[in-house]
Amino acid sequence: ETGVTQTPRHLVMGMTNKKSLKCEQHLGHNAMYWYKQSAKKPLELMFVYNFKEQTENNSVPSRFSPECPNSSHLFLHLHTLQPEDSALYLCASSQEGQSLSKQYFGPGTRLTVT
Amino acid sequence: GESVGLHLPTLSVQEGDNSIINCAYSNSASDYFIWYKQESGKGPQFIIDIRSNMDKRQGQRVTVLLNKTVKHLSLQIAATQPGDSAVYFCAENAGGTSYGKLTFGQGTILTVHP
Repeated sequence: ETGVTQTPRHLVMGMTNKKSLKCEQHLGHNAMYWYKQSAKKPLELMFVYNFKEQTENNSVPSRFSPECPNSSHLFLHLHTLQPEDSALYLCASSQEGQSLSKQYFGPGTRLTVT
Repeated sequence: GESVGLHLPTLSVQEGDNSIINCAYSNSASDYFIWYKQESGKGPQFIIDIRSNMDKRQGQRVTVLLNKTVKHLSLQIAATQPGDSAVYFCAENAGGTSYGKLTFGQGTILTVHP
């Protein structure tokens, strides 16, 4: 996919590690999102950035730290994670002015915490 | 609390048949609905959306129907093909201060048999 890209696609980390997930959107959008997708659960919104400002933190534990340096890039910094944090982490973007809710997703990063 | 749910978690159809995937929502303030398709190993892919001021919207081989009276949403896929096999999610947005925040349902697994 060239619209929204995410790296790495797969990540295995120990509970004491620090790692970062990266998302880049090539659609000229100005809003970006992080979602968590666990097995047998609906997609859970984690963070929303609108024009590089965080507008939503959906009660996410502080071991997840987002960063949005510009409207094209979004990071999720991870530290001291728990095994229950293992999931697919999805990034999405949308354009304010059009339907802000019409979000375009990346392929996700499959995270395994050991 | 408010939630979006699906009537059927799995649906199996024969190639060439029409498929209907249903979704119930409970937030009467929701004014925008969207269907996504997620194939194995990929992120959700936008299919079609509809605003609450419409009852029906058609795309290529897909139709979304909205019944606000009973808070029901459906996705119809005409002439279903094996490539349509995926998990289908409905999502809603309540607008207002929830603008940009999508609430997702559990998903329905569609399997198309050749």
